[in-house]
Amino acid sequence: DGGITQSPKYLFRKEGQNVTLSCEQNLNHDAMYWYRQDPGQGLRLIYYSQIVNDFQKGDIAEGYSVSREKKESFPLTVTSAQKNPTAFYLCASEGLYYGYTFGSGTRLTVV
Amino acid sequence: QKEVEQDPGPLSVPEGAIVSLNCTYSNSAFQYFMWYRQYSRKGPELLMYTYSSGNKEDGRFTAQVDKSSKYISLFIRDSQPSDSATYLCAMSGIIQGAQKLVFGQGTRLTINP
Repeated sequence: DGGITQSPKYLFRKEGQNVTLSCEQNLNHDAMYWYRQDPGQGLRLIYYSQIVNDFQKGDIAEGYSVSREKKESFPLTVTSAQKNPTAFYLCASEGLYYGYTFGSGTRLTVV
Repeated sequence: QKEVEQDPGPLSVPEGAIVSLNCTYSNSAFQYFMWYRQYSRKGPELLMYTYSSGNKEDGRFTAQVDKSSKYISLFIRDSQPSDSATYLCAMSGIIQGAQKLVFGQGTRLTINP
């Protein structure tokens, strides 16, 4: 089945630690996105990539970094500079029609 | 003012009721309008997709767009407990030379048996 796989489902981060969230897609989509979802705030765009080896900052990129070395993969690193990282993180890709396919998300908690 | 406004609810209705979910927006450049359904602890899934003004029906779901009022709606007929989820509106268009997609906050809906 084609889709987007995010891992892990749950992740715990200690203060000052960097953590990396995985996002893999087998839909052959060029564009991929990372969103953060907090209660009552909807989805906020962190980073996006329209093509391999290129990515752009979204609305809330500070404290995050990404890479796009392969079409299928778009990992997100939450760095220690992100002061409030506890949230639900969603990865998405965009195909030929205008609609996003989302992964099942990673819930990150600071401990 | 937010680009997209959506009442977060929560909204609770009895099974079988007609549900109306709404969003308003401020930027007339939005051309594509979408509704996503998100179950708890899951990613959103695309439910309806419409272009410009008008109605689109898919089974028990009807999406309505009124560009003159900058208002979109999703109607759910014969609502079922399995419809209980958070519903997010989303809209996109060319803004300042780039394609932009904006989501509403989401409305949490509960259908009571």
